[in-house]
Amino acid sequence: AQSVSQHNHHVILSEAASLELGCNYSYGGTVNLFWYVQYPGQHLQLLLKYFSGDPLVKGIKGFEAEFIKSKFSFNLRKPSVQWSDTAEYFCAVNDVSYGQNFVFGPGTRLSVLP
Amino acid sequence: DTGVSQNPRHKITKRGQNVTFRCDPISEHNRLYWYRQTLGQGPEFLTYFQNEAQLEKSRLLSDRFSAERPKGSFSTLEIQRTEQGDSAMYLCASSLGAPPLYFGEGSWLTVV
Repeated sequence: AQSVSQHNHHVILSEAASLELGCNYSYGGTVNLFWYVQYPGQHLQLLLKYFSGDPLVKGIKGFEAEFIKSKFSFNLRKPSVQWSDTAEYFCAVNDVSYGQNFVFGPGTRLSVLP
Repeated sequence: DTGVSQNPRHKITKRGQNVTFRCDPISEHNRLYWYRQTLGQGPEFLTYFQNEAQLEKSRLLSDRFSAERPKGSFSTLEIQRTEQGDSAMYLCASSLGAPPLYFGEGSWLTVV
């Protein structure tokens, strides 16, 4: 079955620390990849997306992600986190050959301490 | 604000009652999706429309659940004979053709 896994359930960092959140998927075909963020009390918002081309993609608020096809991974990074980055982060995968549904990972809760 | 709009935002209902949620997508978005999210989990796909046609349904969508998008604009998700296990956030998203999806704020359902 198609699935998306995220390595960490809860990550706690101090401000200015570097962030890397892992995401792996189990699809063999062509995929579109996304990271969404959900701030407390708010709706899911798109952070960044990968369709094709340069495997290093940049998103909003200083986030970037790297697609490594051989590892079926799409890890999210940020060099220096801020307290305002406290949120839930979801990786999502769309298998373009399977259909139009997106499969989301279980999410990683990020807490940034001031 | 012309984002995805969902209502009601919160609904508390007694077990066995029917509930209906409405989603108004971003104007001119032809694709509309329903997801369910429980605490500590990622959103789970329920169903998807392209215009008024319901093209895909998850096995999570039991026969107590029905979704419509009558004129290819707004959509409704009805849950009949609610059960406590239906308690969740119901999310609507829309897109113009290809992804990404743009999400609404969700409708919280609590079945007591």
